[in-house]
Amino acid sequence: RKEVEQDPGPFNVPEGATVAFNCTYSNSASQSFFWYRQDCRKEPKLLMSVYSSGNEDGRFTAQLNRASQYISLLIRDSKLSDSATYLCVVKAPLRDNQGGKLIFGQGTELSVKP
Amino acid sequence: GAGVSQSPSNKVTEKGKDVELRCDPISGHTALYWYRQSLGQGLEFLIYFQGNSAPDKSGLPSDRFSAERTGGSVSTLTIQRTQQEDSAVYLCASSPTVNSYNEQFFGPGTRLTVL
Repeated sequence: RKEVEQDPGPFNVPEGATVAFNCTYSNSASQSFFWYRQDCRKEPKLLMSVYSSGNEDGRFTAQLNRASQYISLLIRDSKLSDSATYLCVVKAPLRDNQGGKLIFGQGTELSVKP
Repeated sequence: GAGVSQSPSNKVTEKGKDVELRCDPISGHTALYWYRQSLGQGLEFLIYFQGNSAPDKSGLPSDRFSAERTGGSVSTLTIQRTQQEDSAVYLCASSPTVNSYNEQFFGPGTRLTVL
């Protein structure tokens, strides 16, 4: 089983649609969770951190369910510029010299069409 | 300020040759990470530096891979006797510290092609 598993893609949606990405992680000791965005042939960039209480940034909402080890990202009113690959990321616990390495899901490709 | 920089941006080499990839982290960042992104494999961790020491080398795929960091700044990833399966984008990231909640900032990567 992969440490971080995401919905398979791609997701093809019209502009203005609401789209949800889901992710599960296997290490219950994980403390930090993120969504990164990666545009084609570019480096990943942090979209948002995910907090236990859930958090929102404009059209983006992230949720964390520690009991189910489940993370989600909701994008409302999707724009053409949202087209990218979305990566669910879990930071390894700071123990055993792991130094907080990032563990990435496979990514879900989103394509927003006019 | 300047972000993480990597060089070269692209490297084409022949099977069996050695290559060196360079990473310049953001100034003052003590934690530095190397990752690899292969087609169909996603992003995978290779090695992490805290200052000049590498407490976690668990992601290095074989003993052909090594890395060093000098002066707590620049890092070099070396691949000896390259194989075709080494073809990938090699990404470097840095972080102010190893604190759980610190963001890791990625460089643009080096695209390595082994013929």
